[in-house]
Amino acid sequence: KQEVTQIPAALSVPEGENLVLNCSFTDSAIYNLQWFRQDPGKGLTSLLLIQSSQREQTSGRLNASLDKSSGRSTLYIAASQPGDSATYLCAVSASGTYKYIFGTGTRLKVLA
Amino acid sequence: DTEVTQTPKHLVMGMTNKKSLKCEQHMGHRAMYWYKQKAKKPPELMFVYSYEKLSINESVPSRFSPECPNSSLLNLHLHALQPEDSALYLCASSHTQGIGFSGYTFGSGTRLTVV
Repeated sequence: KQEVTQIPAALSVPEGENLVLNCSFTDSAIYNLQWFRQDPGKGLTSLLLIQSSQREQTSGRLNASLDKSSGRSTLYIAASQPGDSATYLCAVSASGTYKYIFGTGTRLKVLA
Repeated sequence: DTEVTQTPKHLVMGMTNKKSLKCEQHMGHRAMYWYKQKAKKPPELMFVYSYEKLSINESVPSRFSPECPNSSLLNLHLHALQPEDSALYLCASSHTQGIGFSGYTFGSGTRLTVV
């Protein structure tokens, strides 16, 4: 059974810092991995999608990498801003299923 | 249109009421999903529809009844809910896996309170 863990569970950093969020999964036979952010009480906003054949994706200040063999993905946020404060979730799916398994989430607070 | 629209945004219902949640998308996605999210927890899958047919039911109690009347619309009918069913209900959609899959798009959710 696929299990997805995110470390750290919570993170508080001063504005301007570069930071790394981690996502680990137990079954490497994934179809894709998607990173989301969620503001309190809101829906999920897609950040980056990495297909199983890809190693990384970039969007603006965000870079996500995927290492299937080690069961890990990292989300790198450059020059963090207070507006980046949110919960970040990773989710993985297996080929042939429509079932996203979500990680436990990292609550990020960027201090001005 | 690149959005998933959920209505209502907030819903308060009694344990004997019948209500429905609605989800709509016009992105041509043929897979649609219902997730339930409790406070400070990740979303949990409830149902998956693929080409308007129910493909996954994650052992959800029968007081939750999904319906997919067409490729753009997904409903969740609620009846005789319990206070522990209070949560944020999220709808999502996606292309089916293969060429063109671009990940899930989520709606902003319906905050449900059962009193």
